[in-house]
Amino acid sequence: EIVLTQSPGTLSLSPGERATLSCRASQSVSNNYLAWYQQKPGQAPRLLIYGASSRATGIPDRFSGSGSGTDFTLTISRLEPEDFAVYYCQQYGSSPLTFGPGTKVDIK
Amino acid sequence: QVQLQESGPGLVKPSQTLSLTCTVSGGSISSGNYYWTWIRQNPGKGLEWIGYIYYSGTTYYNPSLKSRLTISVDTSKDQFSLKLSSVTAADTAVYYCAMYGDYALSNWGQGTLVTVSS
Repeated sequence: EIVLTQSPGTLSLSPGERATLSCRASQSVSNNYLAWYQQKPGQAPRLLIYGASSRATGIPDRFSGSGSGTDFTLTISRLEPEDFAVYYCQQYGSSPLTFGPGTKVDIK
Repeated sequence: QVQLQESGPGLVKPSQTLSLTCTVSGGSISSGNYYWTWIRQNPGKGLEWIGYIYYSGTTYYNPSLKSRLTISVDTSKDQFSLKLSSVTAADTAVYYCAMYGDYALSNWGQGTLVTVSS
């Protein structure tokens, strides 16, 4: 099983700032099948990025993903008020599918 | 746009079987492009993949739950279902159904809270 570690646990930033979230895998993620999701309280997760760097339909271009192998990054170029949420990475390159523990982005 | 909706009891007694159904609309479960997936989230905690099923009935289960788990599909109703036996308080969670394909988990249901309590 691939274990995903996310850092930091919490990121306190102001609107307009840049957010950089990290996801590290315990072993290489096959085909870079790494996704990022955003979750707000009381809502289901929403897919942002798949294949490490491809934006899902309707996702603003301020969200970008990068990385390969075991190290991946989600960047939000300029935080909007609606971006304050919890972000999860997930690998789907091998079974079982696994999720990271999440990074909470909150308002400073 | 494919939509998914979970349904089932919100309260289950310890040692009993948790049963949920996911209804798919706006698309066919038999399209062949997706694996129909169950995920859960313990209150205030992270996400756990439970398992998924292909429209043909082929299943893939999380090894940690495999001994208690059955996922089935009814293509005539565009539904798939989850049964988890011998539940304990540790199985209390929000249960989500989702669509899994080349674009990861692209569509999710809104989730349903299941509490295990006597």
